[in-house]
Amino acid sequence: GAGVSQSPSNKVTEKGKDVELRCDPISGHTALYWYRQSLGQGLEFLIYFQGNSAPDKSGLPSDRFSAERTGGSVSTLTIQRTQQEDSAVYLCASSLGSPRGNTEAFFGQGTRLTVV
Amino acid sequence: AQSVTQLGSHVSVSEGALVLLRCNYSSSVPPYLFWYVQYPNQGLQLLLKYTSAATLVKGINGFEAEFKKSETSFHLTKPSAHMSDAAEYFCAVSSPRGYSTLTFGKGTMLLVSP
Repeated sequence: GAGVSQSPSNKVTEKGKDVELRCDPISGHTALYWYRQSLGQGLEFLIYFQGNSAPDKSGLPSDRFSAERTGGSVSTLTIQRTQQEDSAVYLCASSLGSPRGNTEAFFGQGTRLTVV
Repeated sequence: AQSVTQLGSHVSVSEGALVLLRCNYSSSVPPYLFWYVQYPNQGLQLLLKYTSAATLVKGINGFEAEFKKSETSFHLTKPSAHMSDAAEYFCAVSSPRGYSTLTFGKGTMLLVSP
């Protein structure tokens, strides 16, 4: 596709259930990011994949959160035993991943997660 | 470590008035700086970026920003606001040394009244 694609666009889940959020980055982009956007909190960095390097997981808020990127392309963010405070919009972005950090990150439209 | 501060969670202007959205950064090395815009129920779109070339950067939709190292600022301006500019604006910083993530400010909602 032409842009970053995220699915589902909306997800309502019951507290305690596991959820998987998917991100299809732009073809050829080596860097992939996950951010969480909550009201009044701005964009909170979660995890960063760059090529074949070990991901930067420093932003994951708890061990209930994990992410993987298969074949350097599609990424899945998994939240186990969801809590109400996990309700947010989860944004994925990809970029060419310049070592100089000056390339534009392209964002998907996000997955709105609601935990009830 | 890097950080971004955006002064004012909401800014209101009249159509045709000057838009000024403030962004200050903290970085241990000269940074790269970005402004993104988010329209309702959309992802983020790049408006402009500073990557150590010209300090006055022009972006899309008539926006521009000036990098001022002495003030550690990268404020976003537009001479004349349009109704269509109403959106949330995010300032972000990345490091020029090695691969790095983007660190975002908390965003400023721009409200434009007729």
